[in-house]
Amino acid sequence: EPEVTQTPSHQVTQMGQEVILRCVPISNHLYFYWYRQILGQKVEFLVSFYNNEISEKSEIFDDQFSVERPDGSNFTLKIRSTKLEDSAMYFCASSGGVTTNYGYTFGSGTRLTVV
Amino acid sequence: GQNIDQPTEMTATEGAIVQINCTYQTSGFNGLFWYQQHAGEAPTFLSYNVLDGLEEKGRFSSFLSRSKGYSYLLLKELQMKDSASYLCAVPPLNNAGNMLTFGGGTRLMVKP
Repeated sequence: EPEVTQTPSHQVTQMGQEVILRCVPISNHLYFYWYRQILGQKVEFLVSFYNNEISEKSEIFDDQFSVERPDGSNFTLKIRSTKLEDSAMYFCASSGGVTTNYGYTFGSGTRLTVV
Repeated sequence: GQNIDQPTEMTATEGAIVQINCTYQTSGFNGLFWYQQHAGEAPTFLSYNVLDGLEEKGRFSSFLSRSKGYSYLLLKELQMKDSASYLCAVPPLNNAGNMLTFGGGTRLMVKP
């Protein structure tokens, strides 16, 4: 069964450092997403990406965040200057079409710890 | 805006049936999803309802009442592996970004 793969599975970084979280969506999917889940809290939408541009972003996705699809297969989330409150599980997801017809497929996540 | 309410925790016995409720308030309706999330893992898709009524898929069924803003997930013949969080999620009506708003999840503990 096709999978969304994320690397690394766990990253520890110092406050103020830049991190890049990597994702390889399912190959024939067109929509890509980043969500995050702070420990013990709900899954929160960050950003969606379609046709090589951001289609929607949440209030969480401020100027410190950016996404990129550099080579047609990878989909990255960059946090420019990490803060302690950025510690969370970050999930990448992809879908073949609009969510009203398709469920998302989530990756297994990257646990980011900012110290 | 959107508001989704689910019970925080439930406990049930192996082999039993459990019903996990979700109520939602949205400015429009564009369907409702249920996801399963084991601790430390990614959510996995269970069901999608857009019309009223019950949809059955093996041991899991999902029900929707649009007029009441209410859905439930029914799990039959509970197994220990069903211990997980169950997330109710709705897309906004004007969903240019295909985003989902998740509820806080219901943590189900299945006991022997």
